[in-house]
Amino acid sequence: GAVVSQHPSRVICKSGTSVKIECRSLDFQATTMFWYRQFPKQSLMLMATSNEGSKATYEQGVEKDKFLINHASLTLSTLTVTSAHPEDSSFYICSAYSRSGANVLTFGAGSRLTVL
Amino acid sequence: QKEVEQNSGPLSVPEGAIASLNCTYSDRVSQSFFWYRQYSGKSPELIMSIYSNGDKEDGRFTAQLNKASQYVSLLIRDSQPSDSATYLCAVNKRESGGGADGLTFGKGTHLIIQP
Repeated sequence: GAVVSQHPSRVICKSGTSVKIECRSLDFQATTMFWYRQFPKQSLMLMATSNEGSKATYEQGVEKDKFLINHASLTLSTLTVTSAHPEDSSFYICSAYSRSGANVLTFGAGSRLTVL
Repeated sequence: QKEVEQNSGPLSVPEGAIASLNCTYSDRVSQSFFWYRQYSGKSPELIMSIYSNGDKEDGRFTAQLNKASQYVSLLIRDSQPSDSATYLCAVNKRESGGGADGLTFGKGTHLIIQP
């Protein structure tokens, strides 16, 4: 089945630093990947749609200069949280549609970011 | 109005009973519907997908869709303690077999199966 690998699973950083999260599709090519954020006891909120070879599409209210998304290849998308602050602490999850899985979204394991 | 609504629970069900989870959505153009299970601290995993009105069964799980009422439900038969988790309802405007839109999720229902 389709597998999406996400790294790191946990990261702790100091306020003001930047953190990069990687999302890889291991056994399929993903022209589109999605980045979600989930705060405790809240739902998954779509942050942005990452398109291979082009700029990401951000949801309303998500700062594109703060959450940098790069989708340089068909199997890798990265999310960089720049100048992180404690309010950015959250569970970040990437996902992708595999071509063989009709309209079924496969999620990475998620990355728990804690900003001190 | 929230796009996808679920009762947050917790919903407590005795082991062996049927757990019934409900979800309503506001966008009538929604075409595909999903139930995900999420354990604490983990990412969601797909349980069921449904695209047409009626029932769809897979093992102990049955998804029910009523587009006229904008309602989708998930039944879990013979509930087990391992079914205790948060169940997320998600919708997509695209039809099955295509599309590259992110899903819209409800807040989830916390289900507790009591041994």
